Amino acid sequence: DARVTQTPRHKVTEMGQEVTMRCQPILGHNTVFWYRQTMMQGLELLAYFRNRAPLDDSGMPKDRFSAEMPDATLATLKIQPSEPRDSAVYFCASGTDRNTEAFFGQGTRLTVV
Amino acid sequence: AQSVTQLDSQVPVFEEAPVELRCNYSSSVSVYLFWYVQYPNQGLQLLLKYLSGSTLVKGINGFEAEFNKSQTSFHLRKPSVHISDTAEYFCAVSDYDYKLSFGAGTTVTVRA
Repeated sequence: DARVTQTPRHKVTEMGQEVTMRCQPILGHNTVFWYRQTMMQGLELLAYFRNRAPLDDSGMPKDRFSAEMPDATLATLKIQPSEPRDSAVYFCASGTDRNTEAFFGQGTRLTVV
Repeated sequence: AQSVTQLDSQVPVFEEAPVELRCNYSSSVSVYLFWYVQYPNQGLQLLLKYLSGSTLVKGINGFEAEFNKSQTSFHLRKPSVHISDTAEYFCAVSDYDYKLSFGAGTTVTVRA
């Protein structure tokens, strides 16, 4: 069945290293969201795209985070350099203009040591 | 701007008992309302959504929610819970662009 696929599922990295998280949205979905989940802040919207164009990335720290959609089947979230405070679960979700529902991936659990 | 308040952070409940999870929202525009469930180490799954029309919304797994515009609430209910309903539940609000703003979540623990 159709699902949002995120890779990797888990990532442990050292402070200062670059981290790239990938998301394959459901085929045909034209909207992609990136959320971050932490115990302290809960679920926060980092950025979202429609038809591969970034519409809002105001939730993302601009100095170290970047989000892109190289093509309709791939969204990436990059952190460079990573810091311990970036440790969280990062979720990708996709949807369309018609179904009003965001379908979530399983998430990438990032630990920065 | 929109925001969501989930009034209970933890709700313990016995198996086969009813449960209600409370959610209040604030928004300056018309909104869409959602309840999502998150099982341990999983993503979020949609339980139900209110877009328009009937204020009583039925979802999956026997859950339902009632939209109350005057009280700006969207409480989630289930008449009889199972052990498998143990999870975290998130209320969310979105605008026309479907960007979700989530509440802090309610952890439901079902005991035998």
